[in-house]
Amino acid sequence: VLTQSPATLSLSPGESATLSCRASQNVRTYVAWYQQKPGQAPRLLISGASKRAAGIPARFSGSGSGTDFTLTISSLEPEDFAVYYCQQRSDWPRITFGQGTRLEIK
Amino acid sequence: QVQLVESGGGVVQPGRSLRLSCAASGFTFRTYAMHWVRQAPGKGLEWVAVISTAGDDTHYADSVKGRFTISRDNSKNTLYLQMNSLRAEDTAVYYCARDPSSAAAYYFEYWGQGTLVTVSP
Repeated sequence: VLTQSPATLSLSPGESATLSCRASQNVRTYVAWYQQKPGQAPRLLISGASKRAAGIPARFSGSGSGTDFTLTISSLEPEDFAVYYCQQRSDWPRITFGQGTRLEIK
Repeated sequence: QVQLVESGGGVVQPGRSLRLSCAASGFTFRTYAMHWVRQAPGKGLEWVAVISTAGDDTHYADSVKGRFTISRDNSKNTLYLQMNSLRAEDTAVYYCARDPSSAAAYYFEYWGQGTLVTVSP
């Protein structure tokens, strides 16, 4: 089970965001992060806990290992306000996602 | 550029069947593992199934095992999901997604726009 916190995060453009994802068991570094905007498909941001996907801006960074993971977005841009999901593949094929964190404009 | 276009969604009665398709372009389809991921209305993401490059190895979420079948036709660059014995809880947008690897890394690098399946009497 992956538990994301907070459920909702209210911040202003230019601020930094820290999103948390906690696993109920050791998933090593087999965690990815996705961004989803309303009416759109998710977009891969980070895989392997810290590897940015192609074309993802450097303000997105991932860290963590074992059970605790963090997605940090430095200096929020207006287009960053969306829902973010973490996902683990350590226990494949039992792939699971977190319930999501909604990042909203304050 | 990578494109994944799903089709085949619609309204279907409980217990009936539906087949989804995903047409792939912009990459060498036969060299990537492929997945289906779904999202119930207003809810989070749920992985459904994965298929190997040759189509000879498949895995499913427990919630669909025995009812859904993933397959692919590499000559047509198309991924399929045969859904049988549909239930109300299968109502969701179904996305096809490309794995970053031929060996199934179980990450979802590219996504289609999704097709909505509604299971209702």
